[in-house]
Amino acid sequence: GAVVSQHPSRVICKSGTSVKIECRSLDFQATTMFWYRQFPKQSLMLMATSNEGSKATYEQGVEKDKFLINHASLTLSTLTVTSAHPEDSSFYICSARTSGGLYNEQFFGPGTRLTVL
Amino acid sequence: SQKIEQNSEALNIQEGKTATLTCNYTNYSPAYLQWYRQDPGRGPVFLLLIRENEKEKRKERLKVTFDTTLKQSLFHITASQPADSATYLCALTTGGGNKLTFGTGTQLKVEL
Repeated sequence: GAVVSQHPSRVICKSGTSVKIECRSLDFQATTMFWYRQFPKQSLMLMATSNEGSKATYEQGVEKDKFLINHASLTLSTLTVTSAHPEDSSFYICSARTSGGLYNEQFFGPGTRLTVL
Repeated sequence: SQKIEQNSEALNIQEGKTATLTCNYTNYSPAYLQWYRQDPGRGPVFLLLIRENEKEKRKERLKVTFDTTLKQSLFHITASQPADSATYLCALTTGGGNKLTFGTGTQLKVEL
């Protein structure tokens, strides 16, 4: 149980285009989903927290107009990188948490590798 | 400032030995601390969680200790195997327990 999927696993796009990444909780309802970014040899950095049906809360320094997050249902959250630039190339990972879980445990997706040319 | 520090250098050990990884933190008061495994190009996989009032937690070949006075957690893998080779991340709960803040991770290589 507690499986989180991401799609696509890998995407290459041209500079200036927008890319959408999906995060799904497959066998549980995720009241909260988190989006992280990880650059090579670095740790995961939280970008934003989204609760189903409400606006995402972004971490300091993360542009909300550039990284659009939608959490329209209890099993799906999407991250759209708008007008992507090469510096946005990174590994994007989502996680999901269900309410009432012990210790607020988060379950992570397999990640999406974004390369912006 | 707040910091979570893990050994940035890779840890190379021989198969069968015990691997010990360190996680030190400053200016945090976490309710609990977690350890994750991350393989290249993959998301983190949860391994163990230890609460602030627990000194030690075990799961199969894994053992975690948590010293809130020293602000340190140690992660041990006994009888290590090449399949244990990965990057291990510690993470603290922050933001009232709603967020995870990760350390930079330590890469472990278990050699035959």
